Amino acid sequence: GQNIDQPTEMTATEGAIVQINCTYQTSGFNGLFWYQQHAGEAPTFLSYNVLDGLEEKGRFSSFLSRSKGYSYLLLKELQMKDSASYLCAVRDSDYKLSFGAGTTVTVRA
Amino acid sequence: ETGVTQTPRHLVMGMTNKKSLKCEQHLGHNAMYWYKQSAKKPLELMFVYNFKEQTENNSVPSRFSPECPNSSHLFLHLHTLQPEDSALYLCASSHAGPGTGDEKLFFGSGTQLSVL
Repeated sequence: GQNIDQPTEMTATEGAIVQINCTYQTSGFNGLFWYQQHAGEAPTFLSYNVLDGLEEKGRFSSFLSRSKGYSYLLLKELQMKDSASYLCAVRDSDYKLSFGAGTTVTVRA
Repeated sequence: ETGVTQTPRHLVMGMTNKKSLKCEQHLGHNAMYWYKQSAKKPLELMFVYNFKEQTENNSVPSRFSPECPNSSHLFLHLHTLQPEDSALYLCASSHAGPGTGDEKLFFGSGTQLSVL
């Protein structure tokens, strides 16, 4: 089966930066997704990486290294509303999407 | 609001009950999915429908029965469930199905199911 690892919890202060790492071992690779899920709400799409490098979208950036099986999601200028679970998902060579268990980020004032 | 609506939001049922979960998407997408989300565990894909045809059944027990009457509606019929089936059931849709490259998922808010 596929293996997607990410930390269970992270805590950071408002205005700070947090980096959520995701490592994966899959049969082939066809893209990596990050989703945000607030408690009791639907997961929402944040970013998609299929080539190595950094994709920046406002305060959020996502990085991919395919050779290392590694990605990170960088959240800058943290706001209280960023407290949520962040899900890493990887698509394999059969286009099957596997999710990590999610990282719960708590932003403190 | 993601354009994917699920009802009910919460459901409590006994092991002998029969109930159905409903999902509707207003995005004009062609693929719809059922996922199971248990606490502290990864999202588990259950079923995929592409243009109303079931293209994936991820070894889901027969007590879960999906139905997709058209590209906008998806149901999950439940009967004789077990307590371990208690979880958040998420519906999702995408413009195109698996293998097409355009699979950004739009999720509903889910049905929190408790089986007593």
